[in-house]
Amino acid sequence: DTAVSQTPKYLVTQMGNDKSIKCEQNLGHDTMYWYKQDSKKFLKIMFSYNNKELIINETVPNRFSPKSPDKAHLNLHINSLELGDSAVYFCASSPRGGQRYSGANVLTFGAGSRLTVL
Amino acid sequence: AQKITQTQPGMFVQEKEAVTLDCTYDTSDQSYGLFWYKQPSSGEMIFLIYQGSYDEQNATEGRYSLNFQKARKSANLVISASQLGDSAMYFCAMREGNSDYKLSFGAGTTVTVRA
Repeated sequence: DTAVSQTPKYLVTQMGNDKSIKCEQNLGHDTMYWYKQDSKKFLKIMFSYNNKELIINETVPNRFSPKSPDKAHLNLHINSLELGDSAVYFCASSPRGGQRYSGANVLTFGAGSRLTVL
Repeated sequence: AQKITQTQPGMFVQEKEAVTLDCTYDTSDQSYGLFWYKQPSSGEMIFLIYQGSYDEQNATEGRYSLNFQKARKSANLVISASQLGDSAMYFCAMREGNSDYKLSFGAGTTVTVRA
């Protein structure tokens, strides 16, 4: 059973289109994330949700809208796609939520969704 | 400012030898966590090892060990007895004390293991 699953794995679309990537985790984690990995392999956080509440929004354009219907799901919708949105988008989850914690709080990543905007 | 610095873009290592991947970090927090992840060519991100800032002993997980030098703010990953399957990109990451929800990643180091 896949712990963090993302769909689709590959997405090729035209500029200006709207697309969504779905993510589900079956680990019982409280916190979910979206990370973007660019063509140089640099990983940067986009959003973080804790128990369906938005915790982090890292100055991402508002064309990107995350939605967390419950704590096991975090979807990413992108409007008006641009060439620069081409990247691999990773969903991740971690156990912690709410209180601060000095432990590992390891992120478990999905397999990634490669978005290509033409 | 870059919080995690990995200065080695790429490295070659002979099979069965050890390799050290450098990672330095920048934080003013006393409580923080350091992570290493592996990304093989298939693309998934695999957690390898974790070191907490208050941990007195260096972390070890099988063939992976973390050489933690707090005063130097470095957290180097050592892979012993390299295997061909270790060929991948390796990322160092940090969770700062006030950011339970965010990992900041370095630029990564590509390791190629030669037979």
